Amino acid sequence: GENVEQHPSTLSVQEGDSAVIKCTYSDSASNYFPWYKQELGKRPQLIIDIRSNVGEKKDQRIAVTLNKTAKHFSLHITETQPEDSAVYFCAASKYGGSQGNLIFGKGTKLSVKP
Amino acid sequence: DTGVSQDPRHKITKRGQNVTFRCDPISEHNRLYWYRQTLGQGPEFLTYFQNEAQLEKSRLLSDRFSAERPKGSFSTLEIQRTEQGDSAMYLCASSSDTEQYFGPGTRLTVT
Repeated sequence: GENVEQHPSTLSVQEGDSAVIKCTYSDSASNYFPWYKQELGKRPQLIIDIRSNVGEKKDQRIAVTLNKTAKHFSLHITETQPEDSAVYFCAASKYGGSQGNLIFGKGTKLSVKP
Repeated sequence: DTGVSQDPRHKITKRGQNVTFRCDPISEHNRLYWYRQTLGQGPEFLTYFQNEAQLEKSRLLSDRFSAERPKGSFSTLEIQRTEQGDSAMYLCASSSDTEQYFGPGTRLTVT
């Protein structure tokens, strides 16, 4: 079955710096890759997603890139702010995201120091 | 609040007891998912419904676990003969097209 590896497990940056989180997946049939942000004690919330027919997607300070050949995708956060501090999870699905389960990575705890 | 809701938010039970959790999805969503999340880990898929049909179950869902969605609206997850290893956050999510929206979760502690 699908396996998603996520690195690093913890990341500390200064406010205003960029943060990059990387994930690899094993199943070449996976075609949907969302990123979720989970603040302490709260539910996971989707922040951005990308499908396998797209190489890059941006939404303000957040971007995701996908390399299907290498089977890895990355989250890029620019101009980080203290409120970006949270645990970020990548996930993969071969069902387009809504028709089956997501396989999650183990998460990256991002700390943004003011 | 029109988001996904779960009840109860916290449950403490003794080993061997049965527990039942409820999830109310966003009203127009026909797909409903259950995940389990332990400390320091990402959510792990348990099971998935489309309307009232249970279409997929994880190997994590032992025979002590059962889930239902009788009318295609709310869903229940029951754990029989709870074990300490069942202690976790149980998350429900729903979707209609693309994004899976998560509920706040039910935190289960088995003593």
